[in-house]
Amino acid sequence: SAVISQKPSRDICQRGTSLTIQCQVDSQVTMMFWYRQQPGQSLTLIATANQGSEATYESGFVIDKFPISRPNLTFSTLTVSNMSPEDSSIYLCSVEAPLETLYNEQFFGPGTRLTVL
Amino acid sequence: GQQLNQSPQSMFIQEGEDVSMNCTSSSIFNTWLWYKQDPGEGPVLLIALYKAGELTSNGRLTAQFGITRKDSFLNISASIPSDVGIYFCAGPNYGGATNKLIFGTGTLLAVQP
Repeated sequence: SAVISQKPSRDICQRGTSLTIQCQVDSQVTMMFWYRQQPGQSLTLIATANQGSEATYESGFVIDKFPISRPNLTFSTLTVSNMSPEDSSIYLCSVEAPLETLYNEQFFGPGTRLTVL
Repeated sequence: GQQLNQSPQSMFIQEGEDVSMNCTSSSIFNTWLWYKQDPGEGPVLLIALYKAGELTSNGRLTAQFGITRKDSFLNISASIPSDVGIYFCAGPNYGGATNKLIFGTGTLLAVQP
């Protein structure tokens, strides 16, 4: 499985500011995904980060609020813009298993715990 | 859209007991994945299932892919304190260009030593 790291691991931010979360993978992957996990809830997909093209957002998530970059096959960033307390969540990146496994398994980073005051 | 419902929502058991939890869907899935999330961590893949009726084990964990393809079960035998966490089922949504994962509602497991 891929080794995935995220920075920062946690942060406390003021309302109205923005935070950029980084996700680094130790191998090249085609698909990277960003999820949100609100307190006590399950995981919800925000967007799929595609290398060389714009991210694909899920219903309820927009690029202005959650801009994503994917400059290469091992790195992606998610920005949470103009934050409000409702954005307090754990943000997780994941990658799809290498193509040679032929399956749909995804591996997750440790997450970024965001608290907005 | 597709939804995955897990039951029970939470379980509080004694160390050494066996645990059973399940995941049901209103639509068919071709793959079932079971994840465990420890507090403050990202989910870790436990077991992956790819065929209806398949039974797969990983140590004390056993998972089954339901014959109807609309459900899956996870059993943990002889629970230990480190089994504490949230267990999620997940399956790929094949709509669209990517195989996006849909996650279940989760089962919180607490083990009393």
